[in-house]
Amino acid sequence: GQQLNQSPQSMFIQEGEDVSMNCTSSSIFNTWLWYKQDPGEGPVLLIALYKAGELTSNGRLTAQFGITRKDSFLNISASIPSDVGIYFCGKGAQKLVFGQGTRLTINP
Amino acid sequence: GAGVSQSPSNKVTEKGKDVELRCDPISGHTALYWYRQSLGQGLEFLIYFQGNSAPDKSGLPSDRFSAERTGGSVSTLTIQRTQQEDSAVYLCASSLGGFGANVLTFGAGSRLTVL
Repeated sequence: GQQLNQSPQSMFIQEGEDVSMNCTSSSIFNTWLWYKQDPGEGPVLLIALYKAGELTSNGRLTAQFGITRKDSFLNISASIPSDVGIYFCGKGAQKLVFGQGTRLTINP
Repeated sequence: GAGVSQSPSNKVTEKGKDVELRCDPISGHTALYWYRQSLGQGLEFLIYFQGNSAPDKSGLPSDRFSAERTGGSVSTLTIQRTQQEDSAVYLCASSLGGFGANVLTFGAGSRLTVL
């Protein structure tokens, strides 16, 4: 079964709002990854984190690898319509395990 | 190729029939993964290959599911005697080995519908 707990499961926001989602694990791993899936497509890598405490930005996206190495968060600032989709956290090395996803819906 | 290619993109089959799903990874990617995504659900790990070997088959749901990879390239996921609960999108991904092993590039998926 899934080893990652991702929350919230869904979000309904207004365009321009900031978004925050997180992922927790019962075990420690050395890598956290955040992917986004657009409708009808495969997931695409947004940010990869390799060190506890690491804070990485990619445009309006910011992700952090928690100090305890058991959690990570993803923030999106000033959301726009193309941010709609499902965001997955993932961890692991050869066997990459994903959370259940956060479905983001934006009202214009 | 430029990306991960999966075929067919859509497959409708009758319960009890066998299906084969194909994945053509990015050239040079040594690792290949299969995931299953049921409607509105997350990504369920099925199996991964390093080269032609499958070190971890623990995610395969039952013995009706099997996968192989030949020549370190193309992989086929086979589902025998399909059941309605097998209906899902089957996603394939590939990655470089070593440090880049967990940076996956996904295909668009094969949507399987079992009637």
